[in-house]
Amino acid sequence: SQKIEQNSEALNIQEGKTATLTCNYTNYSPAYLQWYRQDPGRGPVFLLLIRENEKEKRKERLKVTFDTTLKQSLFHITASQPADSATYLCALDMGNDMRFGAGTRLTVKP
Amino acid sequence: EAQVTQNPRYLITVTGKKLTVTCSQNMNHEYMSWYRQDPGLGLRQIYYSMNVEVTDKGDVPEGYKVSRKEKRNFPLILESPSPNQTSLYFCASKRTGGLTYNEQFFGPGTRLTVL
Repeated sequence: SQKIEQNSEALNIQEGKTATLTCNYTNYSPAYLQWYRQDPGRGPVFLLLIRENEKEKRKERLKVTFDTTLKQSLFHITASQPADSATYLCALDMGNDMRFGAGTRLTVKP
Repeated sequence: EAQVTQNPRYLITVTGKKLTVTCSQNMNHEYMSWYRQDPGLGLRQIYYSMNVEVTDKGDVPEGYKVSRKEKRNFPLILESPSPNQTSLYFCASKRTGGLTYNEQFFGPGTRLTVL
């Protein structure tokens, strides 16, 4: 069956550390993968997109990797801050069809 | 300001009473979609539309209808709402065309309770 799994429902880290979130999928063939941030009571906001032929993408303190052999994407936030606390969603885009993971709730403690 | 708007933001209704949630985008996007979000299940796609007069079922279309008569609007219709449709609903849009892959822009959400 098709599945998208994000490593854990919740992740707590100390300010200044690197947060690493995992997205694993089975029986999908996404052309690309996206990461979104969602704050309570609000719609998801796009962060980064990585294509199937790209290994790594960076944007400021964010880094995403995409391994189509392992069927896994890793999302890193370096030098994390309390303002990074939110739920992070990975999304597999097959063109018309987009499937989301359930999300990981990240809490960065001062 | 580029945005996706939804109305209403909050709605409490009773079983069987038809309702419509409106969605509008001002970015001239071809693609629009509806999702529902439930605890532990994440975002699940209900319907999507590649362009005017073109709609397709997503993951969980049962009990919902949509229409796309104009490019900017994509209303979600619940003909006979039931309690299991109590959820948080999001509309989204994105630009399409060629080999370009683009992010989706989401609306603020509509929290629906069906009693």
